[in-house]
Parts: sequence; C-alpha cells; structure tokens
Amino acid sequence: SQKIEQNSEALNIQEGKTATLTCNYTNYSPAYLQWYRQDPGRGPVFLLLIRENEKEKRKERLKVTFDTTLKQSLFHITASQPADSATYLCALVGGSQGNLIFGKGTKLSVKP
Amino acid sequence: EPEVTQTPSHQVTQMGQEVILRCVPISNHLYFYWYRQILGQKVEFLVSFYNNEISEKSEIFDDQFSVERPDGSNFTLKIRSTKLEDSAMYFCASKTSGGAETQYFGPGTRLLVL
Repeated sequence: SQKIEQNSEALNIQEGKTATLTCNYTNYSPAYLQWYRQDPGRGPVFLLLIRENEKEKRKERLKVTFDTTLKQSLFHITASQPADSATYLCALVGGSQGNLIFGKGTKLSVKP
Repeated sequence: EPEVTQTPSHQVTQMGQEVILRCVPISNHLYFYWYRQILGQKVEFLVSFYNNEISEKSEIFDDQFSVERPDGSNFTLKIRSTKLEDSAMYFCASKTSGGAETQYFGPGTRLLVL
C-alpha cells in the first residue's frame, strides 16, 4: 500500500528565510499530490495541488515541486513569517473514492 | 465562504457509551468522508460516503462504527460502544464530485473516552 514519509517532524527557521519541507512516497506515482496546513486543534486546510505532469506550482509565497522519478515533493514557503507557523501535511489519494492518505506532517516554527 | 461545520467541538464520554458526531458538509458537495487523528499521530481515513451509502472504508472502521445521512444536510458518525482507544479528533470532509480533487475539512470534534 502507498506510504508517505515527511522526514522532518519539526523545522525551525528565522523569519524572512525560505522553509523547505519534504514529502516522499513509496509506491506508485499518484496522479496528483496535495499539501495541507493544520493548526493545533483544527482541521487540515488545503493549500496547493500539483499533478504528475507538472514540475512546479506556485501560489503567492508558496511553491510546490513534484519529482516522480525521486517519488518526492518539496514544499517551499519564501519570506516566511511567524504566521506561517503550523504543521504542513502532504497527502495522496489512497482509494477509488478519493480518500486521502496523509503524511505525519512537519511542524514549522518561524521565529521573529 | 461555505465551510464544513461539526458538532460538538468537544465530547467526553464513558467507555462503552454510544456517541454520535455530527457534520454539516458544504451544501452542493456530494462526497463525504470521516477521518480521525489520534493525538500526535497522522490523520487517518475512516470511511467515504456517496449516494447514501458507504463507498469505501478502512480497517479502522469496524462494526462499532456507522455513518448516516439522515436528511439533506447532516452527515453523522456513530460509535456504538466507545473504547479508550477511540479518543481522537474526528474530522468530517466533503468534496463536490468524484472528479474533484480537493476535500474541505471541518474543524473537528475532540472525543475523549474515559
């Protein structure tokens, strides 16, 4: 079955720097991959989706890349702010009905 | 902006009791999901629901669990006889169609079984 690994449990960076988070999957390459943000005690919030035929996707200060050869996606936040502090989850579709498989997440802390 | 809502936000119950968690998905959405997240762990899929029936379920979703869409707006998750290990955050999610990719999550219900 498909497994997702987000290698860093926690990432601490200084405000203004670029945060880079990694997501690796183990089996088949999915048609698309998604990134969600989760704040403590809250539900995941969709951020970006990237398809297998896209190398890169951008939205404001966010950038996602997708390398099907490496079975890896990178998630970047440029000019990071303390408000970006949250847990970021990588997700793939796990079944025919669209249910999602999530990674454990990377907790990002941006220090002022 | 439309959003998924869930009630209650917190529920404390005794082991062996039945609980019903409620969700109101976004109104034009057709696919509904329940996920759970044990404290400190990843979000795990429980069940998907479409056209008034379960379309897929995980190994976690055993006979103690059931789902229902009793009317045109609510979507419920029932746990018949709660166990200590059912303590978790339960999230409802919905999406517009089978081809849609993005799911919209509710704020969750924190269930504590004593």
